[in-house]
Amino acid sequence: ETGVTQSPTHLIKTRGQQVTLRCSSQSGHNTVSWYQQALGQGPQFIFQYYREEENGRGNFPPRFSGLQFPNYSSELNVNALELDDSALYLCASSPPDRWDTEAFFGQGTRLTVV
Amino acid sequence: GQQLNQSPQSMFIQEGEDVSMNCTSSSIFNTWLWYKQEPGEGPVLLIALYKAGELTSNGRLTAQFGITRKDSFLNISASIPSDVGIYFCAGLQGAQKLVFGQGTRLTINP
Repeated sequence: ETGVTQSPTHLIKTRGQQVTLRCSSQSGHNTVSWYQQALGQGPQFIFQYYREEENGRGNFPPRFSGLQFPNYSSELNVNALELDDSALYLCASSPPDRWDTEAFFGQGTRLTVV
Repeated sequence: GQQLNQSPQSMFIQEGEDVSMNCTSSSIFNTWLWYKQEPGEGPVLLIALYKAGELTSNGRLTAQFGITRKDSFLNISASIPSDVGIYFCAGLQGAQKLVFGQGTRLTINP
């Protein structure tokens, strides 16, 4: 059984560009959540996807958007990148109805905006 | 954004010592979780707490859910080198959102 995998592991982008981050959920997990973790801080909830629909959103602007596909994998898209978007982006997947106690995190994508 | 207040921010201890860290919030949470994060990895769930006053153990780790539902603590007994990492508390808000503390960085001197 494979765990949650994220790609790429590291990425450098220029301010104003757009970026797409990818997450493959663990087998059998239909819920995917995305978090932003700035250096020295705890993760901040961005949004959650369940059955291909957004199922809750944190305090992030509309330029942060996402998708979930029929195989439950997910993408996080960020438009018009700003320097403050530099962070570790974490994806967590969980099985039906057990997302709070069985949310498994990927290793994250380290995004640097210059 | 909203975060839980976690203390201490860092700890430097000797191997074999016991560790205690805590987490407080101005809001009530119905579920508290404790995670550990190591460099280059995502957080790993250690303990989940569901009831006010609940005391739960996982090996050398013990955590309690405060009676007011606004606080929790995590204890680690007889620390070993592999306990090094950053420990996060998290509260479940609504049906989807985990609110995290800023973390306690644990360093162990052999």
